[in-house]
Amino acid sequence: SSELTQEPAVSVALGQTVRITCQGDTLRSSYASWYQQKPGQAPVLVIYGRNSRPSGIPDRFSGSDSGNTASLTITGAQAEDEADYFCNSRDSTGNLPEVFGTGTKVTVL
Amino acid sequence: VQLQQSGPGLVKPSQTLSLTCDISGDSVSSNNAAWNWIRQSPSRGLEWLGRTYYRSQWYSDSAVSVKSRVTINPGTSKNQFSLHLTSVTPEDTAVYYCARRLWDLDAFDIWGQGTMVTVSS
Repeated sequence: SSELTQEPAVSVALGQTVRITCQGDTLRSSYASWYQQKPGQAPVLVIYGRNSRPSGIPDRFSGSDSGNTASLTITGAQAEDEADYFCNSRDSTGNLPEVFGTGTKVTVL
Repeated sequence: VQLQQSGPGLVKPSQTLSLTCDISGDSVSSNNAAWNWIRQSPSRGLEWLGRTYYRSQWYSDSAVSVKSRVTINPGTSKNQFSLHLTSVTPEDTAVYYCARRLWDLDAFDIWGQGTMVTVSS
């Protein structure tokens, strides 16, 4: 089955930049979308498409992709950015039309 | 747009888990969206279960892992969609979410609040 692999955890100093990656074969043919999830809350979409943000998402969040890897970058991380982050993409080749990443816990120091 | 979930938080093993997602601000019969069920557990992470959508007619599809047990239907008289998962076991214990996926965004842009469902006798 298709998989999207992420780093389990990363930390970033307040105001610094952090990059999270998402790796998988599905990303060669589909863009990743990225979701922020805080404890006890539903995921929130932060990046979709090539590098688009829904209304209300700060511009410190950005996305990029290369080959089988998608990245989410937080430039100037804030305390409120501490959360779990998940990637997602379509998968037309596997058993699931939709596949999610394993998740990355971002800690802001 | 808002999604409001309802349904029991406790289901006995071998019984059927049933959840409903009420839609406000959009229509379940929109040609621009698919209506999805996703669950999350510590052991399995986020897992897509299935969806229903309207493109001149109704379609539904589901994950292979639950295909024989899951039914996802649009509401017949209400602006909602539902999840039915039969023959549940403790491994089905999870937080269940409904979510909208817009075709042109290719992303889940709106999520329900989540329902913690425990399978236990």
